[in-house]
Amino acid sequence: SYDLAQPPSVSVAPGKTARITCGGNNIGGTGVNWYQQKPGQAPMLVIYYDSDRPSGIPERFSGSNSGSTATLIISRVEVADEADYFCQVWDDSSDHWVFGGGTRLTVL
Amino acid sequence: EAQLVESGGDLVQPGGSLRLSCAASGFMFSSYEMNWVRQAPGKGLEWISYIGSHGSPKYYANSVKGRFTISRDNADDLLYLQLNGLTVEDTAIYYCARSPSPRSEFDLWGQGTLVTVSS
Repeated sequence: SYDLAQPPSVSVAPGKTARITCGGNNIGGTGVNWYQQKPGQAPMLVIYYDSDRPSGIPERFSGSNSGSTATLIISRVEVADEADYFCQVWDDSSDHWVFGGGTRLTVL
Repeated sequence: EAQLVESGGDLVQPGGSLRLSCAASGFMFSSYEMNWVRQAPGKGLEWISYIGSHGSPKYYANSVKGRFTISRDNADDLLYLQLNGLTVEDTAIYYCARSPSPRSEFDLWGQGTLVTVSS
């Protein structure tokens, strides 16, 4: 099965840039989606197909994907960005969706 | 406004069964692929099932294959998940989520329904 590795936690000061990674075998060869989940809420799509933003998501959210690592980048981090973030890919070999384990972003 | 609302979650004994529903509104349900995703208490997201816009194909995670069945009723804008042979490991919040096209992102999620498996 295809595995996605995310760091359990990332901390960043307000106004700085947060980078959350998602590692997988040749992940650069497939599209990666990112979801934000705040406590007690359903997940919400923030980035799809590596770097596209749904309507309503601030430009501060961006993404990249190359080689074995995809990255969610949050610029000018705000306290409201504190949440869990999950990466996701479609695994063609198994016809399964796969989620990373999630990263808790803490804004110090 | 597009919306998904899950229902059917409950407390059930190990070995029991349950049927979850997801009611869609505010968009053309029959044009979207649909998924079920669950989240055990304090854990991450686990995709468990997918169904094509017209009822096929259907895919299942290994953890639920043979026990859970996904289906949909496009006439009534409803998505279902039949859960059989439940174990304590199936305790989770179950979310339905839509995809605008095959193998695409989950752009709309419901608020979830809680399934608790306990004796």
